[in-house]
Amino acid sequence: RKEVEQDPGPFNVPEGATVAFNCTYSNSASQSFFWYRQDCRKEPKLLMSVYSSGNEDGRFTAQLNRASQYISLLIRDSKLSDSATYLCVVNLLADRGSTLGRLYFGRGTQLTVWP
Amino acid sequence: DAGITQSPRHKVTETGTPVTLRCHQTENHRYMYWYRQDPGHGLRLIHYSYGVKDTDKGEVSDGYSVSRSKTEDFLLTLESATSSQTSVYFCAISDLGGWYTEAFFGQGTRLTVV
Repeated sequence: RKEVEQDPGPFNVPEGATVAFNCTYSNSASQSFFWYRQDCRKEPKLLMSVYSSGNEDGRFTAQLNRASQYISLLIRDSKLSDSATYLCVVNLLADRGSTLGRLYFGRGTQLTVWP
Repeated sequence: DAGITQSPRHKVTETGTPVTLRCHQTENHRYMYWYRQDPGHGLRLIHYSYGVKDTDKGEVSDGYSVSRSKTEDFLLTLESATSSQTSVYFCAISDLGGWYTEAFFGQGTRLTVV
């Protein structure tokens, strides 16, 4: 079983739409959570970290539900430039108290925003 | 952008030959990682390093070895390349092992084994 599971999509939405991505993780000891964005044939880049209380950055809102081991990303008012693959990422520490972490990536969810 | 470069950016090699990919950073980050990315699999960790000469295996380490003799360089070697190792390879760096710190990626190396 993969550490991180994502719906691969693709999601095709019109400009201005609201779209939500979901992700589940298998290890309850996972410590930190992120959404990365990857453009076609480019390297992944951090979109936002995901905190327990939920956090917002402009049109993007991330939520974490530790009890359900579930992470979400909501994009409001979609722009053409939001077209990309969104990667759910979980950091699992090697040992309690350790700072040595391994990042586990979901397979990514592909989003296309059309005019 | 973080100072991380991968070389070569593209390579075609023959089955059975050894191949070394280089990752170089100028950020003095402690942690360095090698991932491969394949359709349907996403990013999978090959090996990682948490300091000079300190390395460990990831989830798909068979057929790969790594070395880190300096903080700034992390080498990935395919000991005897196979067609199944055709992939895009990404190097990444981070300061605190990913604990709510950003991991920065290199631009990737596209490797084709024929």
